[in-house]
Amino acid sequence: KAGVTQTPRYLIKTRGQQVTLSCSPISGHRSVSWYQQTPGQGLQFLFEYFSETQRNKGNFPGRFSGRQFSNSRSEMNVSTLELGDSALYLCASTQNTDTQYFGPGTRLTVL
Amino acid sequence: GDSVTQMEGPVTLSEEAFLTINCTYTATGYPSLFWYVQYPGEGLQLLLKATKADDKGSNKGFEATYRKETTSFHLEKGSVQVSDSAVYFCALSKSSGSARQLTFGSGTQLTVLP
Repeated sequence: KAGVTQTPRYLIKTRGQQVTLSCSPISGHRSVSWYQQTPGQGLQFLFEYFSETQRNKGNFPGRFSGRQFSNSRSEMNVSTLELGDSALYLCASTQNTDTQYFGPGTRLTVL
Repeated sequence: GDSVTQMEGPVTLSEEAFLTINCTYTATGYPSLFWYVQYPGEGLQLLLKATKADDKGSNKGFEATYRKETTSFHLEKGSVQVSDSAVYFCALSKSSGSARQLTFGSGTQLTVLP
């Protein structure tokens, strides 16, 4: 079974731009979560989607948003990028259990 | 709120040495506990898990036991290899209704020297 895939793997943007990251979960998994990893703050939960509905959200500003499609693929969007948004963004999927499986991440650099 | 505290790193060991990475947690109720490993330039890989008190998770020679009385989930391996060099994260998952999220520790960098 293919694992969680994320595209693109690397991204460079400038301040003020917006960015969209994509995540395809493991086949049959309907829950997708997003996490931000930075050296200073570690791993922080962004949001979780299940059946196209956001059912949990972390403590991030409204510039961070996401959505999920009917095939369970998910996207997250960050608008008005700031330097501090530079991070590794990780997507995880689960078959609606506590065990989450992670993708390789998208490395976002904001200049 | 829920939290996970991990042993400060980095940890440097010689090959075949014994490894312990301490992890304690604070949470109400009965969380599931996990160890994830991250190799350079990669995402997180699930190493092992335990879902209830006294459960022992094990994988690839690594073990951890869910101790509710001490709120701990320490990671151990009897004989480490150079290929075990990575960052290790302890995490807990607690469902709130149907929603789920992982709360992570700060990670412990392990370097194994030949």
